[in-house]
Amino acid sequence: ILNVEQSPQSLHVQEGDSTNFTCSFPSSNFYALHWYRWETAKSPEALFVMTLNGDEKKKGRISATLNTKEGYSYLYIKGSQPEDSATYLCAFDGGTSYGKLTFGQGTILTVHP
Amino acid sequence: GAGVSQTPSNKVTEKGKYVELRCDPISGHTALYWYRQSLGQGPEFLIYFQGTGAADDSGLPNDRFFAVRPEGSVSTLKIQRTERGDSAVYLCASSLGPGNTIYFGEGSWLTVV
Repeated sequence: ILNVEQSPQSLHVQEGDSTNFTCSFPSSNFYALHWYRWETAKSPEALFVMTLNGDEKKKGRISATLNTKEGYSYLYIKGSQPEDSATYLCAFDGGTSYGKLTFGQGTILTVHP
Repeated sequence: GAGVSQTPSNKVTEKGKYVELRCDPISGHTALYWYRQSLGQGPEFLIYFQGTGAADDSGLPNDRFFAVRPEGSVSTLKIQRTERGDSAVYLCASSLGPGNTIYFGEGSWLTVV
């Protein structure tokens, strides 16, 4: 059984704060690491697909880094806004290559105005 | 449509009944996935289709669960003799194939009473 862990489980920040959370995953048989943002009553939105060790990706105020050797990825949000409030999920593709993802339990972010 | 479409969005059924959940993937996407999310957990893989065939059904919990994709587009997840433990959000996703972004639908919320 693959173990994908996210921390913290939940996070409350004030508007304008920068924040980050962690996804840890097995360091063997790595193929890809996916990040999703899931707002209530909507579909999970794909943020990043990361495949290379040391990769850093950015989308607006959100960025992510990847360390496949030690098995972790960080997601950063700069200048949080209330609309960033959502559950952030990471998902590990352990070598299948076809998208059989093992998800973490998610980090619930609440940004207070 | 522009995204992955799932119907019904909500379904309440009695224990023991039969349920069908439908997924219409993004046009042209050959890969289709079903995941299930129970309360407090991340989504769990159920089954992967490449074209019409189920390439990996290792996540189906038991033989009450079955999925088809007869023409390589729309898929139906079928649950027989539903149990209260089947209550969850059933997510469908599609992609262009290995290594590509996986796009999710909004999910079908199933409640078994």
